[in-house]
Amino acid sequence: GAVVSQHPSRVICKSGTSVKIECRSLDFQATTMFWYRQFPKKSLMLMATSNEGSKATYEQGVEKDKFLINHASLTLSTLTVTSAHPEDSSFYICSARGERGGGYEQYFGPGTRLTVT
Amino acid sequence: QKEVEQNSGPLSVPEGAIASLNCTYSDRGSQSFFWYRQYSGKSPELIMSIYSNGDKEDGRFTAQLNKASQYVSLLIRDSQPSDSATYLCAPSRRETSGSRLTFGEGTQLTVNP
Repeated sequence: GAVVSQHPSRVICKSGTSVKIECRSLDFQATTMFWYRQFPKKSLMLMATSNEGSKATYEQGVEKDKFLINHASLTLSTLTVTSAHPEDSSFYICSARGERGGGYEQYFGPGTRLTVT
Repeated sequence: QKEVEQNSGPLSVPEGAIASLNCTYSDRGSQSFFWYRQYSGKSPELIMSIYSNGDKEDGRFTAQLNKASQYVSLLIRDSQPSDSATYLCAPSRRETSGSRLTFGEGTQLTVNP
């Protein structure tokens, strides 16, 4: 399968600080990237969809000023959690979708586990 | 009605048996269908994609699609304990990169040695 990397894999930060998570597609051009969060034993929750060079589309209930998304190139998208609070602690997963092998398959990064203290 | 419905399980099968995972979807415009496997604490991993009615086989995995019945399934032959995970069904409406996947809540599979 395609490789999508995500960095960092784990981060602990203090309440009120900001955290940036990077997502890279390593072997294909990802015209669209998606950001999800997942709480323990819960379903994936789509936060936003981003297309290269344009503003992200946020899902209802997701604060765009708190979760800043930048999709600067066809291989890189970043999610910045601003002024993090303990309730932002979660598993954040990016995914990349692009044409590959004749279809548009979506591949996930390994995820970033954020803990806000 | 949920957009994507899967049996939540847990589904428990003995090692070597066939595990059958089912998924129904409500959007008749869905054109692409994906199965993901998610181990506890890990991100989802794409294991099968299917676009046309019928069966698609890949190793021990077979995906079956019936668009008229709005039904897609995943069969795992010769189940192994390492197959124990949550399996997510994800239809997609349009064949473009911008089309979002709609995930079911997943079926938890346990393969007993």
